Amino acid sequence: GESVGLHLPTLSVQEGDNSIINCAYSNSASDYFIWYKQESGKGPQFIIDIRSNMDKRQGQRVTVLLNKTVKHLSLQIAATQPGDSAVYFCAEIKNTGNQFYFGTGTSLTVIP
Amino acid sequence: DAGVTQSPTHLIKTRGQQVTLRCSPKSGHDTVSWYQQALGQGPQFIFQYYEEEERQRGNFPDRFSGHQFPNYSSELNVNALLLGDSALYLCASSRLRANEKLFFGSGTQLSVL
Repeated sequence: GESVGLHLPTLSVQEGDNSIINCAYSNSASDYFIWYKQESGKGPQFIIDIRSNMDKRQGQRVTVLLNKTVKHLSLQIAATQPGDSAVYFCAEIKNTGNQFYFGTGTSLTVIP
Repeated sequence: DAGVTQSPTHLIKTRGQQVTLRCSPKSGHDTVSWYQQALGQGPQFIFQYYEEEERQRGNFPDRFSGHQFPNYSSELNVNALLLGDSALYLCASSRLRANEKLFFGSGTQLSVL
């Protein structure tokens, strides 16, 4: 399943499928990006980060892709599990030092 | 190693009252940032504290103020509460280096009636 964060704030995928969550960021000068996962009643949890001198970074079951040309960030989750159900936020640092700006978020629901 | 801890977890106040929220940063962190998260929205930056001083501030009125103590813990104070202040208030800690990831607490859910 795939979403465009600002236009499709919810995403439902079947367990075991791959998920793609997209985010358009606003400032071409931003040089650091993070994906956070937020479960109901909890604070955001760090998933993976990427700096602007990279275009791809992989973690455990997750991959972040950065396209600076179109100011687009995506999070790919492989073999999505029910525990992945949460709201996912992308955050950028707009070159003002440690001040992160968060997008609206995408709600991911994994169907067993 | 304890992560970021916030207290209380839930709070109910009435309009016009004042509230103080507390945060202890993750061990080794010296910088505390506060965020307000309305229902269905992403966190919005309120301000950041380092060396007991406010370093940066978001677009929030002066009713929102804060403090950082020598042990790096922090308080967020909100005066003259409005209904619209109802939100989840998140504390995040980091080290003061360029582009360090934030570690968040579980937040304080504030309801203003």
